[in-house]
Amino acid sequence: QKEVEQNSGPLSVPEGAIASLNCTYSDRGSQSFFWYRQYSGKSPELIMFIYSNGDKEDGRFTAQLNKASQYVSLLIRDSQPSDSATYLCAVRPNSGGSNYKLTFGKGTLLTVNP
Amino acid sequence: NAGVTQTPKFQVLKTGQSMTLQCAQDMNHNSMYWYRQDPGMGLRLIYYSASEGTTDKGEVPNGYNVSRLNKREFSLRLESAAPSQTSVYFCASSETELGSGNTIYFGEGSWLTVV
Repeated sequence: QKEVEQNSGPLSVPEGAIASLNCTYSDRGSQSFFWYRQYSGKSPELIMFIYSNGDKEDGRFTAQLNKASQYVSLLIRDSQPSDSATYLCAVRPNSGGSNYKLTFGKGTLLTVNP
Repeated sequence: NAGVTQTPKFQVLKTGQSMTLQCAQDMNHNSMYWYRQDPGMGLRLIYYSASEGTTDKGEVPNGYNVSRLNKREFSLRLESAAPSQTSVYFCASSETELGSGNTIYFGEGSWLTVV
């Protein structure tokens, strides 16, 4: 069973701080990694994707991938109360019939306090 | 641009009743998906359709059937609803297979309660 693990939280940070969200995955051959944000009662929306080892930055968001450690993280700089949401890590497992399947973590609830 | 549209948004069913969740996308995507989301379980794939004319089982297909009516529409049917099917259902679509810049885009969700 391919698994994606996230700390359920809640993770509480003060406004303006850096929020660090972590995700580990079990399928070593996984190629594609996604972060989604989900507000309460709403649908998930894509924040970032990353395929290569290292960092990928998009505005206040940075995704970090370490395939050797099977670890992907999301950093949110200058956190705002509007960032308060559940963050879902999703992994596309290795090929072999899995090109259309994402395995989602259960999500980390982030609360940014004004 | 509506994206992915699901109906109904809310539904209450009695055990044993049947119903169909409708989904349509206007992004000219080839692939469509049905997920369910339950507290403590995360998002789980029920069925997907890689392209028009094909459907495949996901992680939790039991108790469901799907129809890819055309490129735009992908419906999910509960033939005999059970309380265990109380959940939030999300339809989603992607341009093609996932990865290499392609990811899934979700509809707004359908809240289903089976009593």
